[in-house]
Amino acid sequence: IVLTQSPGTLSLSPGERATLSCRASQSVSNRYLAWYQQKPGQAPRLLIYGASSRATGIADRFSGSGSGTDFTLTISRLEPEDFAVYYCQQYGSSPLTFGQGTKVEIK
Amino acid sequence: EVQLLESGGGLVQPGGSLRLSCAASGFTFSSYAMTWVRQAPGKGLEWVSAISDRADGTYYADSVKGRFTISRDNSKNTLYLQMNSLRAEDTAVYYCAKGAGAVIAFLLVEYWGQGNLVTVSS
Repeated sequence: IVLTQSPGTLSLSPGERATLSCRASQSVSNRYLAWYQQKPGQAPRLLIYGASSRATGIADRFSGSGSGTDFTLTISRLEPEDFAVYYCQQYGSSPLTFGQGTKVEIK
Repeated sequence: EVQLLESGGGLVQPGGSLRLSCAASGFTFSSYAMTWVRQAPGKGLEWVSAISDRADGTYYADSVKGRFTISRDNSKNTLYLQMNSLRAEDTAVYYCAKGAGAVIAFLLVEYWGQGNLVTVSS
């Protein structure tokens, strides 16, 4: 399954709302879609799994939605620490695949 | 606290071999599937391989099949990746990661190590 993320880069200010898209080339079974955050020089961190469940310790400003082939990660109000690259990943079929990433940068 | 510490990376010539290790702690290692994911410099994430909790199931990306071998030693809480016939395009940071379940089907990658750089160059 090929995952296509858009936009490639999102330029926003702290406090603004961020909406990131992930589109799959075929339906993701059981909504097995995850989102990860990666900051420079760091490992990715799991934010969302099962399309909409927040991982342990993740702030409630992060939310996920979608099903089938269209998924969205929303950050309701950007905090300074949220500026990073975000990846979607499907784990409903093998091989596991990742999107190419969306960079959220400070405007 | 889950901790995953990779080692064994470095510079290797094309065609050479390298073995990565990942020492796990903070959870019952023998109860979870484990996986390797890599990231080429400045690029996105690419899943490489996965192994079930008891090592009775393994899976590889097409790009490494026949060249890489994943294994684990549950008595030592350690995951391995044997990499043979290395190519320049294998140059990447290799992350060891813990799955959320025991099997490799529907494998959610839950926790990641800090990564280990492998550079394939002459």
